[in-house]
Amino acid sequence: GENVEQHPSTLSVQEGDSAVIKCTYSDSASNYFPWYKQELGKRPQLIIDIRSNVGEKKDQRIAVTLNKTAKHFSLHITETQPEDSAVYFCAASLSGGYNKLIFGAGTRLAVHP
Amino acid sequence: DGGITQSPKYLFRKEGQNVTLSCEQNLNHDAMYWYRQDPGQGLRLIYYSQIVNDFQKGDIAEGYSVSREKKESFPLTVTSAQKNPTAFYLCANSPPGLRGNQPQHFGDGTRLSIL
Repeated sequence: GENVEQHPSTLSVQEGDSAVIKCTYSDSASNYFPWYKQELGKRPQLIIDIRSNVGEKKDQRIAVTLNKTAKHFSLHITETQPEDSAVYFCAASLSGGYNKLIFGAGTRLAVHP
Repeated sequence: DGGITQSPKYLFRKEGQNVTLSCEQNLNHDAMYWYRQDPGQGLRLIYYSQIVNDFQKGDIAEGYSVSREKKESFPLTVTSAQKNPTAFYLCANSPPGLRGNQPQHFGDGTRLSIL
């Protein structure tokens, strides 16, 4: 079946450093790629998304890049802050309608003061 | 925010018992989804529904059932056939639009445990 691989599974950075999380998808028909942030015990919240007709999108300290040829996309967080500490999930849309998403296994980001 | 309310926040199940998790939305979105999240893992799709009176199995539907009698409600029943029900259950919806191009928004989840 289709899948999304996400790396690394854990990431530890110093406050102010950059963090990069990478995902690879298998469904060549995927055309929508959201990123979610989940704090402990809470719901995943959409932080940024990108569609297949765009190569890069930026929102303040967060950016996402997409390489359709290689079927991978990445989340970049600059000037990290302790409140960025959370689990981040990437996802890719699946073909076949119904707006289905398949999720990566998550990256636990720890930002140390 | 997808305007989703999940209840209860915590739920306990005895062996052999069926339990139902509630998911209600107030945004009139057609598409709704149920996911299961285990510790340290991603989200796995249980069931999804595009319209009233229609729903489809996801990747891990065994031991679960749903109904979609009203647009605003998509309850999930965890049956006694689900042998390992302890998990965090998340309901989501998504607005109408081009297929495969709409974000899903989640409720606050229900944490189910076995007594």
